[in-house]
Amino acid sequence: EAQVTQNPRYLITVTGKKLTVTCSQNMNHEYMSWYRQDPGLGLRQIYYSMNVEVTDKGDVPEGYKVSRKEKRNFPLILESPSPNQTSLYFCASSLWGAGGPGEQFFGPGTRLTVL
Amino acid sequence: GENVEQHPSTLSVQEGDSAVIKCTYSDSASNYFPWYKQELGKGPQLIIDIRSNVGEKKDQRIAVTLNKTAKHFSLHITETQPEDSAVYFCAAVYYGQNFVFGPGTRLSVLP
Repeated sequence: EAQVTQNPRYLITVTGKKLTVTCSQNMNHEYMSWYRQDPGLGLRQIYYSMNVEVTDKGDVPEGYKVSRKEKRNFPLILESPSPNQTSLYFCASSLWGAGGPGEQFFGPGTRLTVL
Repeated sequence: GENVEQHPSTLSVQEGDSAVIKCTYSDSASNYFPWYKQELGKGPQLIIDIRSNVGEKKDQRIAVTLNKTAKHFSLHITETQPEDSAVYFCAAVYYGQNFVFGPGTRLSVLP
């Protein structure tokens, strides 16, 4: 089954404790992206990647890191989480051809609470 | 950077009526405009999209129109059904890579 998986689905942590949210897709998509969703703000893009070893900042990259060492994986790293990073996080992937993006598939989401 | 506005924030319609959600964007470089539906507890799902070289696109009960001059695009849902109740997001993709989303519209279809 074609899908984007994220782990963990729920996470409660404390300020300053490093964490990683994993994201994996099995569709051989070039483009992968992380978003955070907050009430009234919609989805905001954190980082995106056009291919292996190619990453770029979205609109809200502060406090986050990503890496793309393999095409299928795109982990999100919070090295020193703070309470303002409490949010619902989505990973997504899509094909990206000469005409631009194809359908973007989203993972099920990770609900993160930073105390 | 790009800014996407979306109206209304909430919309209630009677089953069988039409629903229209409007979005405006600020950057004329944007060239791809998808619409997503998000049901409770799930990730967004693409329902229709349009590229800047097309003015209108239709898929059964769903249609999207794009006015590049005015920098706005709209989602039209006809013959609404209870299962259309969800949160809908528009987005604009600029510089070919960065997705910017609107704040969302909560649609309620009343039986």
